[in-house]
Amino acid sequence: NAGVTQTPKFQVLKTGQSMTLQCAQDMNHEYMSWYRQDPGMGLRLIHYSVGAGITDQGEVPNGYNVSRSTTEDFPLRLLSAAPSQTSVYFCASGERHRNSPLHFGNGTRLTVT
Amino acid sequence: GQQVMQIPQYQHVQEGEDFTTYCNSSTTLSNIQWYKQRPGGHPVFLIQLVKSGEVKKQKRLTFQFGEAKKNSSLHITATQTTDVGTYFCAYATSNTGNQFYFGTGTSLTVIP
Repeated sequence: NAGVTQTPKFQVLKTGQSMTLQCAQDMNHEYMSWYRQDPGMGLRLIHYSVGAGITDQGEVPNGYNVSRSTTEDFPLRLLSAAPSQTSVYFCASGERHRNSPLHFGNGTRLTVT
Repeated sequence: GQQVMQIPQYQHVQEGEDFTTYCNSSTTLSNIQWYKQRPGGHPVFLIQLVKSGEVKKQKRLTFQFGEAKKNSSLHITATQTTDVGTYFCAYATSNTGNQFYFGTGTSLTVIP
């Protein structure tokens, strides 16, 4: 099993550009989520999904879109990149019940200039 | 959101000293998980606490969940250089459903 796979590992964007961060998991997890990590602020929840076709907002959803067409994939879209979106992005998955541990991908380091 | 405070933000210890990080909430938590993130890596699940007053041990690591389920601690006995990293608590509340929110983390440096 590959677990949670994120691509790309690194990305540099110019302000205003759009892009999609990919996340795929092969553990048949219903729950998937996106976090961003900034120095001193821990991990902040952007969006999450409890199953195919179901998504919802987390703490910091502005500027990001998600969709969940399959159980395996949960892409994160930046519509118009801004320097404030420079961060490390982590995708995490888990079983749907609240006691399930989260499995994280290796992260995507995004720089917006 | 960020209703849990995690302290301290940074901790430097000599190898062999003990280390403790705390998560404190203003509201009752449903459960709490602890994660470790090595420098340049991703968070890795360590343990989950669910019951009031629960204590769990993993070798030199001791995890506690407060009686009121509003605070938790991670204690490392006799730190080693392999303990270096950032430790996060993650929590869910009755209002958050499946979502886990993370504390701000404690960065541990172990001086050989």
